[in-house]
Amino acid sequence: AQSVTQLGSHVSVSEGALVLLRCNYSSSVPPYLFWYVQYPNQGLQLLLKYTTGATLVKGINGFEAEFKKSETSFHLTKPSAHMSDAAEYFCAVIVTGFQKLVFGTGTRLLVSP
Amino acid sequence: NAGVTQTPKFQVLKTGQSMTLQCAQDMNHEYMSWYRQDPGMGLRLIHYSVGAGITDQGEVPNGYNVSRSTTEDFPLRLLSAAPSQTSVYFCASSSDRASPGYAFFGQGTRLTVV
Repeated sequence: AQSVTQLGSHVSVSEGALVLLRCNYSSSVPPYLFWYVQYPNQGLQLLLKYTTGATLVKGINGFEAEFKKSETSFHLTKPSAHMSDAAEYFCAVIVTGFQKLVFGTGTRLLVSP
Repeated sequence: NAGVTQTPKFQVLKTGQSMTLQCAQDMNHEYMSWYRQDPGMGLRLIHYSVGAGITDQGEVPNGYNVSRSTTEDFPLRLLSAAPSQTSVYFCASSSDRASPGYAFFGQGTRLTVV
C-alpha cells in the first residue's frame, strides 16, 4: 500500500532561515506526490505537486520540492522563511490512475522573529 | 465563487444522534472525497466517489454513509454519533482533467459529539 512518512511533527526556524520539511514515500509504482499547506481554521491548499517530468518542482509562496526516486523522498524547502509561512504542512501520495490521496501525519512549521 | 462548500462549519451532537454533513462543488468535478482530521493522524479518507451513483469506502468508513445522486453534492451521514467521531471533517473534489490528485478542499466542519 502507498504511504508517506513525515519526519518531525514540529519544525522551528527563525525568520530568514532555510525551511526543510521531510517526506518519504512508499510506493510500488511511480507515485504522484503532493505538498499541501493548512493555515489555522482553514482547509488544505495545494503548494506543489510532482507527477512526471522534471524532478525539481516549484510551487507557490517560494516553496520547492525535489523528487528523489533513489531515496524515496520528496522534501519541501524554502530558502528564507517568513512569519506568514507558519502553518501545518502535509505530504501526500496518490497512485497513478486513482483518486485517493494518502496523507502523512503533518508537520507544524513554527517561525520565530 | 467556484469551490467546495461545506455546511455546517460547527456542530455539537449528543451520542446516538444522527446528522448529515453537506458538501457541494460547482466545478463539475467527477471525484469527491470525505476526510477526517485528528491531531497527530493527518487526514484519513472516509469515503470517496468517482462519479454520480458510484461510491466506495476509504480507510475509516465505519459509522458513516454516503451517496452521490448528483455530480455537485456528496453528503456524509453519521447514523448514530459516537464520541470517537469528534473530529474536523473535510470534503474535497478533483478532476483528472485538471490534474490527478489536485484536490480542492472545503473549509471543514468541526464536529463535537458529547
